[in-house]
Amino acid sequence: AQSVTQPDIHITVSEGASLELRCNYSYGATPYLFWYVQSPGQGLQLLLKYFSGDTLVQGIKGFEAEFKRSQSSFNLRKPSVHWSDAAEYFCAVGASQAGTALIFGKGTTLSVSS
Amino acid sequence: GAVVSQHPSRVICKSGTSVKIECRSLDFQATTMFWYRQFPKQSLMLMATSNEGSKATYEQGVEKDKFLINHASLTLSTLTVTSAHPEDSSFYICSARAPPGTGRESSYNEQFFGPGTRLTVL
Repeated sequence: AQSVTQPDIHITVSEGASLELRCNYSYGATPYLFWYVQSPGQGLQLLLKYFSGDTLVQGIKGFEAEFKRSQSSFNLRKPSVHWSDAAEYFCAVGASQAGTALIFGKGTTLSVSS
Repeated sequence: GAVVSQHPSRVICKSGTSVKIECRSLDFQATTMFWYRQFPKQSLMLMATSNEGSKATYEQGVEKDKFLINHASLTLSTLTVTSAHPEDSSFYICSARAPPGTGRESSYNEQFFGPGTRLTVL
């Protein structure tokens, strides 16, 4: 079955500390992977995406993610978290075929402590 | 990036009434749009795939007679929640994927999301 697992429901990180949000996927076809961020009551903002090529992907706001095929993972990282990074983070997987929707993980809530 | 809008952003209605939510791709043509639903503190769940000029494809468990989808043009899809009840209260989000040849296409299934519509049924 196709699925995305985000093992951590809630993570609290001190401001300035590093961050890693985990994402594992199960997908029958070649996966195309995404990380989105959502602030309360808001829509989704794309942080970064992986289609092919370099497995380390750089995104906006200082985020990066690394695709590891052997581990079926696409973990999101940031070296130094800012208070404004507090939000809900979703990992998603999709396929290249036209008309296919994304499958989302359940999300990880990030809290940033001062 | 490409822009997708939704209207209204927030709606409150009485139980039994119908509510229409619009999803527009503002700077590209979208042959395929998707409607997702998000309950508080939960992830996005795909409700249906909307294809321009044809019937929508609904996910298992989604009542097509209750959630009417119309994709009459390449820039507009509408979701109508008919006879809304309090359990229909949710955050509804649409996304759009541009077809090849429009200049906004992506062969990698990138989707552009709208800002969402908060529906509250009293």
